[in-house]
Amino acid sequence: EAGVTQFPSHSVIEKGQTVTLRCDPISGHDNLYWYRRVMGKEIKFLLHFVKESKQDESGMPNNRFLAERTGGTYSTLKVQPAELEDSGVYFCASSRDTYNEQFFGPGTRLTVL
Amino acid sequence: QKEVEQNSGPLSVPEGAIASLNCTYSDRGSQSFFWYRQYSGKSPELIMSIYSNGDKEDGRFTAQLNKASQYVSLLIRDSQPSDSATYLCAVVISSGSARQLTFGSGTQLTVLP
Repeated sequence: EAGVTQFPSHSVIEKGQTVTLRCDPISGHDNLYWYRRVMGKEIKFLLHFVKESKQDESGMPNNRFLAERTGGTYSTLKVQPAELEDSGVYFCASSRDTYNEQFFGPGTRLTVL
Repeated sequence: QKEVEQNSGPLSVPEGAIASLNCTYSDRGSQSFFWYRQYSGKSPELIMSIYSNGDKEDGRFTAQLNKASQYVSLLIRDSQPSDSATYLCAVVISSGSARQLTFGSGTQLTVLP
């Protein structure tokens, strides 16, 4: 069974530009989560999809972040426009149902210059 | 007070010894508890989940949960140098339908050959 995959692995952009991160969950996992870790801080929750619906987006920092999961398969997280404080590692995780363990992807390291 | 607290370490143990990692959480209603291992530059890897009071053993790993004391621990028996990593405690904080993980800051473990 293939694990959670994320693309790209690294992204370096300038302040004000747009970046789109992609996550492909484990096949059959309806639940998809986005988290991020900024320098020196704990991993923090961003949002949770159940299939194509946003179940909880309480962790999204502001309206510069937009997440989608069309068709309930892969998800994208767009940051527009990017700011310096958005730099960090963005992780995606998936689980089979809402009480199951969450399995993490390799992450996307985002650097905003 | 942080929602999930861990000693940041570093914790050093000799090869073959028992490593003991501790975690406390603030929300008494929390129901799901996880331990993740994270090697430097890699994604969190789920190693244990525990949902009820008591011990849960899996190979060299034992998770212990005490809900009355709001305490969860991870014991690693016969520690190996390959166990050297950061260990993250994660809790599903009870909050309506929310199912996101709340992470501690992690404990860095070094197993000395």
